[in-house]
Amino acid sequence: DVKVTQSSRYLVKRTGEKVFLECVQDMDHENMFWYRQDPGLGLRLIYFSYDVKMKEKGDIPEGYSVSREKKERFSLILESASTNQTSMYLCASSPRTSGRVEQYFGPGTRLTVT
Amino acid sequence: ILNVEQSPQSLHVQEGDSTNFTCSFPSSNFYALHWYRWETAKSPEALFVMTLNGDEKKKGRISATLNTKEGYSYLYIKGSQPEDSATYLCAFSFSSASKIIFGSGTRLSIRP
Repeated sequence: DVKVTQSSRYLVKRTGEKVFLECVQDMDHENMFWYRQDPGLGLRLIYFSYDVKMKEKGDIPEGYSVSREKKERFSLILESASTNQTSMYLCASSPRTSGRVEQYFGPGTRLTVT
Repeated sequence: ILNVEQSPQSLHVQEGDSTNFTCSFPSSNFYALHWYRWETAKSPEALFVMTLNGDEKKKGRISATLNTKEGYSYLYIKGSQPEDSATYLCAFSFSSASKIIFGSGTRLSIRP
């Protein structure tokens, strides 16, 4: 079974803090993704990575950066957290680059920025 | 802007009833259509990936159809059970790139 894990289920941070969200997958997948989910908006892609040290901006990259130093780990970084970054963050992975391949998701991190 | 629309936003169904909901997507440059089920406190899980016009896929009591020419897909649940309560997401892909575009989901609640 593919397993995608995220470092925290719930996180509360203060405005201006630097926040790290970690994601690890155990199936040697090439591609990894970070989404955020807000009510009524569905999943929106923040960043994705198709290989170690490679990254591509998604639809809403502003205020975020990512790091992929190892194939199994993809980190999302909020350089200076703001209240409008309060959201559910989901990590996903997929075995190869194709819009026809399903993505495997982690359980999500609910981040609250106060 | 590529939009994926799902309707209705939410649905309450009596246990044992059958139900269906819709995903609309751009009909040009179609590549694939995904359905995911997302239960509360769990990870979203893939139900189907559909690629051909007229495709029908089935998993147990859940099935899906695809019309790429008019840009819609239906998800059907036969004889709804409480464990079917979840948010159902559809996602559209317009190319071989790995990026997919999600709709906002249909939240299904089954009343016992």
